[in-house]
Amino acid sequence: DTEVTQTPKHLVMGMTNKKSLKCEQHMGHRAMYWYKQKAKKPPELMFVYSYEKLSINESVPSRFSPECPNSSLLNLHLHALQPEDSALYLCASSKGGLSYNEQFFGPGTRLTVL
Amino acid sequence: TQLLEQSPQFLSIQEGENLTVYCNSSSVFSSLQWYRQEPGEGPVLLVTVVTGGEVKKLKRLTFQFGDARKDSSLHITAAQPGDTGLYLCAGVVAGTYKYIFGTGTRLKVLA
Repeated sequence: DTEVTQTPKHLVMGMTNKKSLKCEQHMGHRAMYWYKQKAKKPPELMFVYSYEKLSINESVPSRFSPECPNSSLLNLHLHALQPEDSALYLCASSKGGLSYNEQFFGPGTRLTVL
Repeated sequence: TQLLEQSPQFLSIQEGENLTVYCNSSSVFSSLQWYRQEPGEGPVLLVTVVTGGEVKKLKRLTFQFGDARKDSSLHITAAQPGDTGLYLCAGVVAGTYKYIFGTGTRLKVLA
């Protein structure tokens, strides 16, 4: 299995809602990432988990809360988002530690905040 | 600020033409990846280059890593409409854990 799966594919939420994005991989990768991508821009790194521990937080607002329940799963909890948070949210994984090389991306969750 | 600048930013060509996309930085990279992303989808890994001067071929795509590991290029021969997409270079700056993406090149191949 060489896939990274993400659910949901699309999400529309209000500014007072609480929702979660989910990501799963079964490649035995030990590093997992959340990225935010605005239209026609490259992905921007948000969080990195290495061996299920949060190792990098790129100064992301606290309304985004990541969670790594186990080595295969990565969640992103959303609360009190702003319309400017609307974007494509991508999950990725890679082998081992913080090597970062050869990241495998999921198809993304298209988030719209009303 | 460590940047990966890609050029050109946009490229629209006819089917069958050749093209080259460049990825340049003032920083040295431990390795560099190239990805292609289609609208509404995640980036798909095309190749990794590690050694300065390395050349890798993937069918009609040729990737080169600069001798000093500060730049890379992607050459497509006889482009096809299926090559249309956003091409991204990305890599880890040597001596850091910082993984950065290039500014992207949006390619459109017309039939």
